[in-house]
Amino acid sequence: GAVVSQHPSRVICKSGTSVKIECRSLDFQATTMFWYRQFPKQSLMLMATSNEGSKATYEQGVEKDKFLINHASLTLSTLTVTSAHPEDSSFYICSAINLAGGPGYEQYFGPGTRLTVT
Amino acid sequence: QKEVEQNSGPLSVPEGAIASLNCTYSDRGSQSFFWYRQYSGKSPELIMSIYSNGDKEDGRFTAQLNKASQYVSLLIRDSQPSDSATYLCAVNMLTGDKLIFGTGTRLQVFP
Repeated sequence: GAVVSQHPSRVICKSGTSVKIECRSLDFQATTMFWYRQFPKQSLMLMATSNEGSKATYEQGVEKDKFLINHASLTLSTLTVTSAHPEDSSFYICSAINLAGGPGYEQYFGPGTRLTVT
Repeated sequence: QKEVEQNSGPLSVPEGAIASLNCTYSDRGSQSFFWYRQYSGKSPELIMSIYSNGDKEDGRFTAQLNKASQYVSLLIRDSQPSDSATYLCAVNMLTGDKLIFGTGTRLQVFP
């Protein structure tokens, strides 16, 4: 149980184009999902909190118009990187909270999406 | 400023030994505590969660929580080379809230 998938696992795009990354909770419902970014040899950086049916909450310094988040259902959240640039190249990881899990509502991570912008 | 601190390592232990990973947190209101393992190039994997003072054991892993000292640790018994990874400590204040991560401790288990 508590499986989170992401698609695509890898994507290469040209500078100026947009890329959409999907995050799905496969065997549980997730009212809250999180999007992280991780650069090589660095820590996870939380980008935003995605709540089903409402606007995402972005962390300080994250451009909400560049990183569009949509949480359309209890099992799907999407992150769209708009007008991507080489500096957006990174490892994007989503996570989801399993409300039916333990008392602390464990957070489970997807396998990540490696984005390369050329 | 909520902080979670870990020694970055690397912590090197021989195969079969006990690896001890430590984490301190600054916010006394923290409620839930988690240990994640992250292999290079992969996403984090939840290995332990602990919510009350004391020890919690799961296989070769034991999590220890001391809220008075604001300290949480992870013991890995009979360490294997496959345990070599970065171990992330994470806490949150509210159930279902965002996690505050430490920077991680890199563990190396040598044969």
